[in-house]
Amino acid sequence: EVQLVESGGGLVQPGRSLRLSCTGSGFSFRDCGMSWVRQAPGKGLEWVGFIRRTTYGGTTEYAASVKGRVTISRDDSKSIAYLQMNSLKTEDTGIYYCTREQCDDFPDMDVWGKGTTVTVSS
Amino acid sequence: QSVLTQPPSASGTPGQRVTISCSGSSSNIASNFVYWYQQLPGTAPKLLMYRNNQRPSGVPDRFSGSKSGTSASLAISGLRADDEADYYCALWDGSLRAWVFGGGTKLIVL
Repeated sequence: EVQLVESGGGLVQPGRSLRLSCTGSGFSFRDCGMSWVRQAPGKGLEWVGFIRRTTYGGTTEYAASVKGRVTISRDDSKSIAYLQMNSLKTEDTGIYYCTREQCDDFPDMDVWGKGTTVTVSS
Repeated sequence: QSVLTQPPSASGTPGQRVTISCSGSSSNIASNFVYWYQQLPGTAPKLLMYRNNQRPSGVPDRFSGSKSGTSASLAISGLRADDEADYYCALWDGSLRAWVFGGGTKLIVL
C-alpha cells in the first residue's frame, strides 16, 4: 500500500524553527517528486513547495509566500522528505500535508499523507 | 485570492447532479492539466480526478471532469449524502513553477 506519513509537528514559538518529516512506503520513493501543502484552520489548501526526484536533479521550487524561510530536502536512502521552516510566524499555523507527485512524465499529485499539525504561538 | 476561482459553496439533493466550476485564464487552465481533490470533513484531501478527466481507480463513475478553454468543471451525478465535502481544483503551472489551488467549494447535500 502506498503511504505517506508526516511527523514533527507541534507547538512552537514565533521566530523559532521546525523540521517536518514525511516518510514514504509502498512505492519507489526515489522515482517521485514530493510536495508539501498546508491548510490554515478553516481555510483552503496552499502549496508550500516541492522537490523533484533525484534523477531530475532533486531541485526545489517554493511558493512566494514562504520562499527564503523554508527548505525542502530528501533522503532517498530513508525514503524521507523534509520541510525545514525557519522564522516561523503565527500565520504558518495549520496542517501540513506531504504529497507524492511526478512519478512519471506528468505532474500528478496523487497521494497525500494524513498531515501533521503545526501551531505557532507564544 | 487564488488565480483559480471556485464558487464557495454548492448544494443539491440526493440523486441530483451538481457541477462545480473552476475558472482560470489562458496561462493556467488552458495550458495545463486540471486536478480535483475531495476533502471529507476532518480528513486529508484525496485525488478525485487527474489530467482533466481521468478517474483514479476506486473513484466511482458518478464523478466526471471536463475542461474547456479557461474553465474546468467537476460533475457529480446521483448525489449522495457522503459526497458532502470540500472540493478543490488545482494545476501545476509550468511557467510559474508552482502548484496553484482553487479556493475550494463546500458541497452541501440537502
